[in-house]
Amino acid sequence: QSALTQPRSVSGSPGQSVTISCTGTSSDVGGYNYVSWYQQHPGKAPKLMFSDVAKRPSGVPDRFSGSKSGNTASLTISGLQAEDEADYYCCSYAGSYTLVFGGGTKLTVL
Amino acid sequence: EVQLVESGGDLVQPGGSLTLSCAASGFTFSNYWMTWVRQAPGKGLEWVANIKQDGSEKYYVDSVKGRFTISRDNAKNSLFLQMSSLRAEDTAVYYCSRGVPTGVDYFDYWGQGALVTVSS
Repeated sequence: QSALTQPRSVSGSPGQSVTISCTGTSSDVGGYNYVSWYQQHPGKAPKLMFSDVAKRPSGVPDRFSGSKSGNTASLTISGLQAEDEADYYCCSYAGSYTLVFGGGTKLTVL
Repeated sequence: EVQLVESGGDLVQPGGSLTLSCAASGFTFSNYWMTWVRQAPGKGLEWVANIKQDGSEKYYVDSVKGRFTISRDNAKNSLFLQMSSLRAEDTAVYYCSRGVPTGVDYFDYWGQGALVTVSS
């Protein structure tokens, strides 16, 4: 049950694109297509951004996209906007009805 | 509208016990797996425990096994987390969240959180 690895911070200017990686193992990210992503603004509850690697819930802008290759999942945000500044967490199913989160990435919009 | 409202957060001494509750509304509670996720101050999210729709299956992160118990009352649309032998490292905001009918692949709704502080 080791945490997934995410960069501690990423940044970009408005209009640019950024990608946040989430690296696990064959026992979690690489073993299942059950990676989800959450956005958390300060003092707020997390918000689901993606389920099952790349399924975007209604209401999430299509500027956001999710993908996975091997043991690494990625969240890409294109056309950065000021309101995208937040913490982002990946989460993966890890077998036997357990889950593991990444350490979180702070996105700064310059 | 789906709503999850946690309660029961408090300051408790090391070694003490506390029970958190989560009141669910706006959906058929008995159709969904439910989960507790916690976040220590300034830290990331950590999955804590899951419970199946009928309460027959429960799963925990290693660090709370034997100390925490997740349960539910479908008649009252409520989820609970009984915590005992509390340690300083259990200090966190505890979120109640909804899984999916087929399992706990992801969490689509979250409560606002309940703060548990373990300190003497």
